[in-house]
Amino acid sequence: DVKVTQSSRYLVKRTGEKVFLECVQDMDHENMFWYRQDPGLGLRLIYFSYDVKMKEKGDIPEGYSVSREKKERFSLILESASTNQTSMYLCASSLPITAGTSPQHFGDGTRLSIL
Amino acid sequence: RKEVEQDPGPFNVPEGATVAFNCTYSNSASQSFFWYRQDCRKEPKLLMSVYSSGNEDGRFTAQLNRASQYISLLIRDSKLSDSATYLCVVIPLPAYDMRFGAGTRLTVKP
Repeated sequence: DVKVTQSSRYLVKRTGEKVFLECVQDMDHENMFWYRQDPGLGLRLIYFSYDVKMKEKGDIPEGYSVSREKKERFSLILESASTNQTSMYLCASSLPITAGTSPQHFGDGTRLSIL
Repeated sequence: RKEVEQDPGPFNVPEGATVAFNCTYSNSASQSFFWYRQDCRKEPKLLMSVYSSGNEDGRFTAQLNRASQYISLLIRDSKLSDSATYLCVVIPLPAYDMRFGAGTRLTVKP
């Protein structure tokens, strides 16, 4: 079974802080993704990565950055946290599209509150 | 127009009922389709892939209509444990990422 592990289930930070959300997968997946999920808006893609040191902006990258130094780890960074970044953050991983239908597997999520 | 649209519901049905959800997508080049299930405060989990010829997994049937650009999920003999939000997911090639619908909420009542 694919295991995607996010470092924290719940996190509370203050406005202006730099926040790191970590994600690790154990299935040697090339693709990794960061989403945020808000009521009524569904999942929105922040950033994704299809290889080590590669990253692509998703739909809502503003205020975020990412790091992929190793294949198994994909970090999401909130450069200067703001209250509108309070949300559920979900990490996912998948095989490349060229591997056929390749659904994403999700971590448990991190519920982040910015005060 | 959103890339993937779903009726948000909620759908409230009695146990044993049959319920169907539809989902439309805008990118005609889309190649892969899935239904995910998400329980309250949990991560989305893959329920089933959707194949062109339609496919069934127990009480669940998924269908794809490429001409009209929609996919559907049919749940027969609903169980209380089916209560969840069902997310329609599309991979719009060329792309690496999935596009999610906002989800349809289902509540099955005794």
